[in-house]
Amino acid sequence: EVQLVESGGDLVQPGGSLRLSCAASGFTFSSYWMTWVRQAPGMGLEWVASIDNVGSATYYADSVKGRFTISRDNAKTSLFLQMDSLRAEDTAVYYCGKVITGAADHWGQGSLVTVSS
Amino acid sequence: DIVMTQSPLPSPVTLGQPASISCRSSQSLVHIDGNTYLNWLQQRPGQPPRLLISEISNRFSGVPDRFSGSGAGTDFTLKISRVEAEDVGVYYCMQGKQLPWTFGQGTKVEIK
Repeated sequence: EVQLVESGGDLVQPGGSLRLSCAASGFTFSSYWMTWVRQAPGMGLEWVASIDNVGSATYYADSVKGRFTISRDNAKTSLFLQMDSLRAEDTAVYYCGKVITGAADHWGQGSLVTVSS
Repeated sequence: DIVMTQSPLPSPVTLGQPASISCRSSQSLVHIDGNTYLNWLQQRPGQPPRLLISEISNRFSGVPDRFSGSGAGTDFTLKISRVEAEDVGVYYCMQGKQLPWTFGQGTKVEIK
């Protein structure tokens, strides 16, 4: 059974940093692209970033480019999102997802990031 | 970026009755590989999103057959043949043809 478990969400001040983790199990992690998608309170879904299966190619939404970094550790079957220079508008639940062609077929339960002073 | 636009349901749905949600993309979702990467996701209250249908009409594992998808090019539809109580939630269409992936604004399904 595929499992994705996010952690690391917290309350952080504007301008601060946070690192989210996503522990994956139940599938061959190193064979799949992975992604982060977020959802602001009461709002819809927004794609944040994706990474290829070996970690050599990364892609970002314009809204986070230059501030967020997606990475992975295939040996530890883990996905990460380093978030720097956080803004109030980054407040959201962040979901990690396992990518199949053109979609995410499994999603974690999410990790809440709140950016506020 | 590709803009995804969903239609709202006109009113709460009666249990056992059909429901239909429309989604339109600002450009064709036909990929160079010939596939059309239009997906439907369900988000029940307090839950993460769940993939229902991929590539217009392919039901994901475990999805009841009362859910079906159709369409082509830029116009797509999700149909629930007989709405059940567990179908309450928000439904999103999503394009996976190109990055950035983009989502419709969501359509809420409520039971009368």
